[in-house]
Amino acid sequence: QVQLVQSGAEVKKPGASVKVSCKASGYTFTSYDINWVRQATGQGLEWMGWMNPNSGNTGYAQKFQGRVTMTRNTSISTAYMELSSLRSEDTAVYYCARETAVAGTFDPWGQGTLVTVSS
Amino acid sequence: QSALTQPPSASGSPGQSVTISCTGTSSDVGGYNYVSWYQQHPGKAPKLMIYEVSKRPSGVPDRFSGSKSGNTASLTVSGLQAEDEADYYCSSYAGSNTYVVFGGGTKLTVL
Repeated sequence: QVQLVQSGAEVKKPGASVKVSCKASGYTFTSYDINWVRQATGQGLEWMGWMNPNSGNTGYAQKFQGRVTMTRNTSISTAYMELSSLRSEDTAVYYCARETAVAGTFDPWGQGTLVTVSS
Repeated sequence: QSALTQPPSASGSPGQSVTISCTGTSSDVGGYNYVSWYQQHPGKAPKLMIYEVSKRPSGVPDRFSGSKSGNTASLTVSGLQAEDEADYYCSSYAGSNTYVVFGGGTKLTVL
């Protein structure tokens, strides 16, 4: 079955960077874009950006431009999201999600990775 | 503040129907038939329930249905069951720049 498995929880200090991984299985990794969405505790979903695993092309939400980098390693079917210059407001659960053939439709999602930014 | 507007809460008794609205603009909901709905139980990842306004992925009960009129999309859950109690989020494609916008979520309570 199609599955996305993310790396474990992280605790970072303000100003640091975090890199979250998302390992895909059950389908051809390069055939579908991977998107990243975050959710602060008790808050709604916030789209961060997309990456095409085949070409490596990316598109980021304006809010994260300059701070986020999405990459991939096709040999191990894994996507990565790195967020730099972390601040307390970046404390959230970060999800990767496979985009289906329908624009902006995500299925399935990874289990989520909690990133805590605290001094 | 989320780009799409949803009511913060909705409720219904078992067996009843409830409808959740999602209001956007002509740049997102009104401009494309790419509205999706996600169900999220506490501590879990979102699950796709409706895509392209009214289509259901395999495995989603037909108690869940979607529709759209102008800039407002709606999710209807018929024959409410206890397991339907969850947060529901709408999303819409919004063009190649903004790409995807989400609603703020609606907490559905089964009384």
